[in-house]
Amino acid sequence: DAGVIQSPRHEVTEMGQEVTLRCKPISGHDYLFWYRQTMMRGLELLIYFNNNVPIDDSGMPEDRFSAKMPNASFSTLKIQPSEPRDSAVYFCASSRDSHSGANVLTFGAGSRLTVL
Amino acid sequence: AQSVTQLDSQVPVFEEAPVELRCNYSSSVSVYLFWYVQYPNQGLQLLLKYLSGSTLVESINGFEAEFNKSQTSFHLRKPSVHISDTAEYFCAVRKDYGGSQGNLIFGKGTKLSVKP
Repeated sequence: DAGVIQSPRHEVTEMGQEVTLRCKPISGHDYLFWYRQTMMRGLELLIYFNNNVPIDDSGMPEDRFSAKMPNASFSTLKIQPSEPRDSAVYFCASSRDSHSGANVLTFGAGSRLTVL
Repeated sequence: AQSVTQLDSQVPVFEEAPVELRCNYSSSVSVYLFWYVQYPNQGLQLLLKYLSGSTLVESINGFEAEFNKSQTSFHLRKPSVHISDTAEYFCAVRKDYGGSQGNLIFGKGTKLSVKP
């Protein structure tokens, strides 16, 4: 398996523009997570899905952020309109359900977003 | 609510010296504990995990961590570090939901810098 695939790896955009980040989880994984990493706040969970259904979106900063998972092999995180404070590295991760609770997250390489 | 505290944001150490990266957590219920490592420009990778049983867990590259319930700690140690261990290390906790999935709470990370 190629692992969790994220695109784009780098995105530079101007304030007010729409940004779409994409993620392809590992085949067979039931859970998908979106995290944001910044120097100030560290790694924050934004939202996670189970079987394509959003379970917890309490970490989504505000209405400018939205995430979808139309099928088991694809998810998007959209920011509209983008602001400079959204600049961060956005990680997608996936995991397989486990009755033991030993869910191990596999992370993608991240999408580095810079909003000017 | 759960939380994870990594007491040191940066740890510089010389090659072949021992190192300890500290992690404390707070939770009123049973937890699962993890250490993830992030090499430059990459996503996080699982280093080791504690689920149950022996309180001392080891990774394949010489790291170990000990779960101490009374101290609510899960410190990471290595007796002799290499230059290649230079990375950021994240402690994470997941509440034991009795088999169902929950999300991970990450600490803010500790940057280990190994100098020759």
